Amino acid sequence: NAGVTQTPKFRILKIGQSMTLQCTQDMNHNYMYWYRQDPGMGLKLIYYSVGAGITDKGEVPNGYNVSRSTTEDFPLRLELAAPSQTSVYFCASSYSGPWGYEQYFGPGTRLTVT
Amino acid sequence: KNEVEQSPQNLTAQEGEFITINCSYSVGISALHWLQQHPGGGIVSLFMLSSGKKKHGRLIATINIQEKHSSLHITASHPRDSAVYICAAMNRDDKIIFGKGTRLHILP
Repeated sequence: NAGVTQTPKFRILKIGQSMTLQCTQDMNHNYMYWYRQDPGMGLKLIYYSVGAGITDKGEVPNGYNVSRSTTEDFPLRLELAAPSQTSVYFCASSYSGPWGYEQYFGPGTRLTVT
Repeated sequence: KNEVEQSPQNLTAQEGEFITINCSYSVGISALHWLQQHPGGGIVSLFMLSSGKKKHGRLIATINIQEKHSSLHITASHPRDSAVYICAAMNRDDKIIFGKGTRLHILP
């Protein structure tokens, strides 16, 4: 199993550009999550999904959108990138949840908005 | 004030020392997680516990629900244990709250 994979690993965006961060898991997990990690701060939940077709907001959803058309994929869309979105983004999945089961994390995407 | 507080923020120790990292939380929780973030950035889940104690190899996690406190212990520490250790509490509304992490550096 590849586990949770994320692409790209690094990206630099200009203010106002858009992009999609890809996340795929091959463990047939129902729950998937997107987090951001700012320097010196704890992880914060952006969005999560309890299964295909179902998504919900986390603590910091503004400026982001998600979709879950399949069990495997959970892309995160940034529209009109802003410097405040400079962060490291982690995707994670779990068999069940939320957070009642062990979470498996992807390697992260480091995004810089200038 | 963060609802999940970790101490110390930074810890440097010699190889072989017994390490304790503390996590205190101010809300009622249904589960608490300990995560390890490697220097390269990858995050691994170490423990999930809602009561008592769990052990995996040289790592031990304990939780005291009444005192709203959890500890992560590392016995016979090794330089490869150098990482950031993150505590995360799930409150009764299924909201997850992360601590800011404890940066551990084990010297050979």
